[in-house]
Amino acid sequence: TQLLEQSPQFLSIQEGENLTVYCNSSSVFSSLQWYRQEPGEGPVLLVTVVTGGEVKKLKRLTFQFGDARKDSSLHITAAQPGDTGLYLCAGVETSGSRLTFGEGTQLTVNP
Amino acid sequence: ETGVTQTPRHLVMGMTNKKSLKCEQHLGHNAMYWYKQSAKKPLELMFVYNFKEQTENNSVPSRFSPECPNSSHLFLHLHTLQPEDSALYLCASSLPFGQGNSPLHFGNGTRLTVT
Repeated sequence: TQLLEQSPQFLSIQEGENLTVYCNSSSVFSSLQWYRQEPGEGPVLLVTVVTGGEVKKLKRLTFQFGDARKDSSLHITAAQPGDTGLYLCAGVETSGSRLTFGEGTQLTVNP
Repeated sequence: ETGVTQTPRHLVMGMTNKKSLKCEQHLGHNAMYWYKQSAKKPLELMFVYNFKEQTENNSVPSRFSPECPNSSHLFLHLHTLQPEDSALYLCASSLPFGQGNSPLHFGNGTRLTVT
């Protein structure tokens, strides 16, 4: 099983600040998915990145897949309280079948 | 509405009880999954069903028994659980397992407490 490490594990910031969450591995993934989980709910897919170096934007969220497809980052600009939640990265192993999840980053955005 | 519905939302059971978790999906998917989510640990894959056939059992103790009667329904039967089995149990569905990038659609989970 390929491993994914997320950092930081916890992040508490004020509304309007910017932040970056990292997802790193020593292994290559064929693609990587980012999910957000709000309290009392299951994870919901935000984006899938497939190509090395790919950048995708979702409003104030910018996702990047590393050139070597071993790491990814999520950058949030001008964070809002509604961004609060657990952010999970999940890599599709090169075998194409298994999805490996990171431990998650718990983000709290204070008004 | 997530498209994947789990019941019950909360369950408290003693170590000698037998209970079942239910999952239903209305997305036309052919793969269904059980995951365990514990604090400070990555999501742990427990079981995968692909076209109603179990394709993965991730070394899960026999006190957890899955059942998939059709592509839309998935159950997790529980018996003689331990306190360390307390966790959030998430069901998910997707396009057929092994189709690379297909994302998971999760239910809202069952919060299980074993006393």
